[in-house]
Amino acid sequence: GAVVSQHPSRVICKSGTSVKIECRSLDFQATTMFWYRQFPKQSLMLMATSNEGSKATYEQGVEKDKFLINHASLTLSTLTVTSAHPEDSSFYICSARPDRVSSPLHFGNGTRLTVT
Amino acid sequence: GQNIDQPTEMTATEGAIVQINCTYQTSGFNGLFWYQQHAGEAPTFLSYNVLDGLEEKGRFSSFLSRSKGYSYLLLKELQMKDSASYLCAVKDSNYQLIWGAGTKLIIKP
Repeated sequence: GAVVSQHPSRVICKSGTSVKIECRSLDFQATTMFWYRQFPKQSLMLMATSNEGSKATYEQGVEKDKFLINHASLTLSTLTVTSAHPEDSSFYICSARPDRVSSPLHFGNGTRLTVT
Repeated sequence: GQNIDQPTEMTATEGAIVQINCTYQTSGFNGLFWYQQHAGEAPTFLSYNVLDGLEEKGRFSSFLSRSKGYSYLLLKELQMKDSASYLCAVKDSNYQLIWGAGTKLIIKP
């Protein structure tokens, strides 16, 4: 149980375009989902916390107008990278957990974004 | 500030045992997690400790001492597929996850 599906797994886009990444909890409801970014050989960096039915909470230094988050239902959150630039190229990972504080986070398989 | 320390890299031999340590200083404590992350893949959950002591799960065990702000992940009968990064994460008083930088474990034949 507790499967998180993330799509697409890999995307290449041109500079200036926007990319949408979907994160779905397949067999549980998640009021909260988390979006991480990971650069090569570095640890996970929390970008934002996605809250169903309300605005996302962004970490310091993360531009909310550039990384748009929509958590429209208890099983779906989306991250849109707007006007992507080569420096946005990274591994983006979403995670979610069943709504119990002791539950571990379960991660999607990640999306490798390459901006050319 | 909040801080989690893990060794950057460790090397061990196939079939042996390795212990990966994690020390933490956080504002409150609501549990400690260990995750495994293979290169280019997302992390996968390994273990969760909230009370002091040892949690065993097959070849992997995790230990916690809350008074010392210390945990370790013990891997036995190492296999080549165990080569990965191991991430320690602590949930603080606000139930936010604080991540360590990860320990890259290299298994040699």
